Amino acid sequence: AQRVTQPEKLLSVFKGAPVELKCNYSYSGSPELFWYVQYSRQRLQLLLRHISRESIKGFTADLNKGETSFHLKKPFAQEEDSAMYYCALKGGGYNKLIFGAGTRLAVHP
Amino acid sequence: DVKVTQSSRYLVKRTGEKVFLECVQDMDHENMFWYRQDPGLGLRLIYFSYDVKMKEKGDIPEGYSVSREKKERFSLILESASTNQTSMYLCASSGTATYEQYFGPGTRLTVT
Repeated sequence: AQRVTQPEKLLSVFKGAPVELKCNYSYSGSPELFWYVQYSRQRLQLLLRHISRESIKGFTADLNKGETSFHLKKPFAQEEDSAMYYCALKGGGYNKLIFGAGTRLAVHP
Repeated sequence: DVKVTQSSRYLVKRTGEKVFLECVQDMDHENMFWYRQDPGLGLRLIYFSYDVKMKEKGDIPEGYSVSREKKERFSLILESASTNQTSMYLCASSGTATYEQYFGPGTRLTVT
């Protein structure tokens, strides 16, 4: 079955500390994965996708097919990174996405 | 810039009422989606539509129906609202070229 697992509901770090938001997936085939972010009182928006291999706001994510993971990383967290982060997997036709349960990142000063 | 709008930010309804949530997108997207967003459960797909008058059930369609009479508009209907349908409802749209979905601001529905 296609599934996305985000094992941490809350990740709490201090400003300047490294951040890793975990995401594991289950998918038979060639996966396409995404990270979406929702800042307080803002709408959910795409942060990055694995196929573009880009760094957005200092965040990167590498697809590891061996470990079926797509962890989101940032070397030095900023307070403005505090938000809800969702990992998502391409889930079949019509551009459907399967979302994980989300991880709330809290960056403290 | 893609714009997805939802008819209400907050809605309070009584048990048994019929509830309409409306979503409009202005990017001529073929695909539209309705999700529930609940803490600890993430986003769960209720229904989606890939064309006018075409719809498919998502993961949790029970108690909901949808309507898409025009390409830009996708409505979610709760035929008889129940307290367990209290939630945040998100609408999204996407084109056919990518899997990127564009989200509306959400409607927080409370059923009392």
